[in-house]
Amino acid sequence: GESVGLHLPTLSVQEGDNSIINCAYSNSASDYFIWYKQESGKGPQFIIDIRSNMDKRQGQRVTVLLNKTVKHLSLQIAATQPGDSAVYFCAESLPMIKAAGNKLTFGGGTRVLVKP
Amino acid sequence: DGGITQSPKYLFRKEGQNVTLSCEQNLNHDAMYWYRQDPGQGLRLIYYSQIVNDFQKGDIAEGYSVSREKKESFPLTVTSAQKNPTAFYLCASSPPPGTARRVNEKLFFGSGTQLSVL
Repeated sequence: GESVGLHLPTLSVQEGDNSIINCAYSNSASDYFIWYKQESGKGPQFIIDIRSNMDKRQGQRVTVLLNKTVKHLSLQIAATQPGDSAVYFCAESLPMIKAAGNKLTFGGGTRVLVKP
Repeated sequence: DGGITQSPKYLFRKEGQNVTLSCEQNLNHDAMYWYRQDPGQGLRLIYYSQIVNDFQKGDIAEGYSVSREKKESFPLTVTSAQKNPTAFYLCASSPPPGTARRVNEKLFFGSGTQLSVL
């Protein structure tokens, strides 16, 4: 929606360069993490996920890195394209046995602008 | 939008009025969710339903109500008790537990409804 992202941190990247989007998560007990991409006027789309027993996972042109020591998650996009321009959200989830309703907790998002 | 349809795309509410946002999915998903999105913030969970005729409050349920009479449908009513309703509302669903380790994994989102107050 047009009202989303008015005050979001913004990452400007040149087309063809690699992008790195960072996320600090809040709960050290979280064991599952997801990255979503949201284009203007659309709902978020799943990009990649990672469980806490891993520190790296690769997808198509994307890599997620997890550093549990400092509660940090990052999304790397290789060879950024104009179609990658969007808002990117990370989300975390507690283990099911501890989760209150199996819900995801979302970060505030980062806007990525790809310059031609 | 992965088979989830939200309507309307834009909605205006007058003071003291209740409004209902529609969410329909044809993905045969058991679980459905409503999130609210404000500028500069992440998504916050309003209500969720894991099965027909059952639903639970999320983090910000006050001023909202839902129903789940059919598997395909999960409408959200924004009541007059919600004093700051202006936001982007997102509906989501997730596959049955057998296809994902946990029911909340891999949410599929609709395209959202922007609600504004007149």
